[in-house]
Amino acid sequence: GNSVTQMEGPVTLSEEAFLTINCTYTATGYPSLFWYVQYPGEGLQLLLKATKADDKGSNKGFEATYRKETTSFHLEKGSVQVSDSAVYFCALSGLETTSGTYKYIFGTGTRLKVLA
Amino acid sequence: EAQVTQNPRYLITVTGKKLTVTCSQNMNHEYMSWYRQDPGLGLRQIYYSMNVEVTDKGDVPEGYKVSRKEKRNFPLILESPSPNQTSLYFCASRPRSAGVAVPGELFFGEGSRLTVL
Repeated sequence: GNSVTQMEGPVTLSEEAFLTINCTYTATGYPSLFWYVQYPGEGLQLLLKATKADDKGSNKGFEATYRKETTSFHLEKGSVQVSDSAVYFCALSGLETTSGTYKYIFGTGTRLKVLA
Repeated sequence: EAQVTQNPRYLITVTGKKLTVTCSQNMNHEYMSWYRQDPGLGLRQIYYSMNVEVTDKGDVPEGYKVSRKEKRNFPLILESPSPNQTSLYFCASRPRSAGVAVPGELFFGEGSRLTVL
């Protein structure tokens, strides 16, 4: 079945540092890929998405490119802020061949802590 | 404001005492789903519903029930809670995808933290 693997955290960075959170996936067909962010005490909210190969999703200074050749969707930000401290989830929406239905699969989440 | 509302946000209960976590969305979404979030395991789907009166099991349905009598509501029922159901629960919704289009963004509630003693 489909799966998502993302790097374990926690990731601790100083303010203005460069951020990369790795995410790779396994899927049949052409899934859509997402990054969700969960701020403390809140639900998940969509950060960015990409629906086909070579698409780049971007929002709030974060970027991720849908790389079909490496089955990856790494999240990057050039200069993190304290307010970026949160848990980040990589996810895919794709067809499950066993059931013939579309399903969301989430990674385990990566906690980011940014120090002032 | 478009939102998914869960209640209660926090609950401490005892083993075997039936409880219901309510979920309501005001976006007229067809699809609704329940997840539980546990450390190191990410989000795991409990049940989902494609529309009114249509529900199906997710990956971890044991010990849970759901119903979808109205489009906006999707309550999660724990008939006889046990300590292994201590978790953070999220309700989510999205519109039905058109044709063969891959489903898009999920909209999440703020979560319900349940502790079963």
